[in-house]
Amino acid sequence: DVKVTQSSRYLVKRTGEKVFLECVQDMDHENMFWYRQDPGLGLRLIYFSYDVKMKEKGDIPEGYSVSREKKERFSLILESASTNQTSMYLCASRPGKNTIYFGEGSWLTVV
Amino acid sequence: TQLLEQSPQFLSIQEGENLTVYCNSSSVFSSLQWYRQEPGEGPVLLVTVVTGGEVKKLKRLTFQFGDARKDSSLHITAAQPGDTGLYLCAGSTSGTYKYIFGTGTRLKVLA
Repeated sequence: DVKVTQSSRYLVKRTGEKVFLECVQDMDHENMFWYRQDPGLGLRLIYFSYDVKMKEKGDIPEGYSVSREKKERFSLILESASTNQTSMYLCASRPGKNTIYFGEGSWLTVV
Repeated sequence: TQLLEQSPQFLSIQEGENLTVYCNSSSVFSSLQWYRQEPGEGPVLLVTVVTGGEVKKLKRLTFQFGDARKDSSLHITAAQPGDTGLYLCAGSTSGTYKYIFGTGTRLKVLA
């Protein structure tokens, strides 16, 4: 079974803090993704990476950055968290152009 | 912008009833996936359909991919409370890394 693991399920951070969300997959997938999911807005792509050290902006990259130093790990960084970044964050991985597999999600609350 | 429109958006039914969820697009998809997401969790893959006209069964769930690969349906027979959740269709069109998600159908099955 494909395993996508998000390191933190629930986080509470203060406005202005730097936040790291970590994601690891164990299936040697080339592509990894970060989405956020908000009620009424569905899943929105923040960033994706198709190879180590490669990244592409998704639909809503503002306020976020990413890092992919190793194939299995894709990190989402909020340089200065704001309350409008309170959301459910979903990491996903995908071999080539095939099915996406999701992690369990990270609930971030920024106060 | 490519869209995958799902209908209905919300569905509340009694245990034992049948239901169908639809996923439609004007674009042709190389494959299409269905996911179920429970509150507070990441989406879990139910099925992938690849060939136009393909029908797949997963216990009481029947998935169909349209002949033109622009639409799909999910039929649940004798729904149970454990089927409650958010159902998402998703897929990618040929030659692209971008993965498109449907607008979602929130199903509630009452005991």
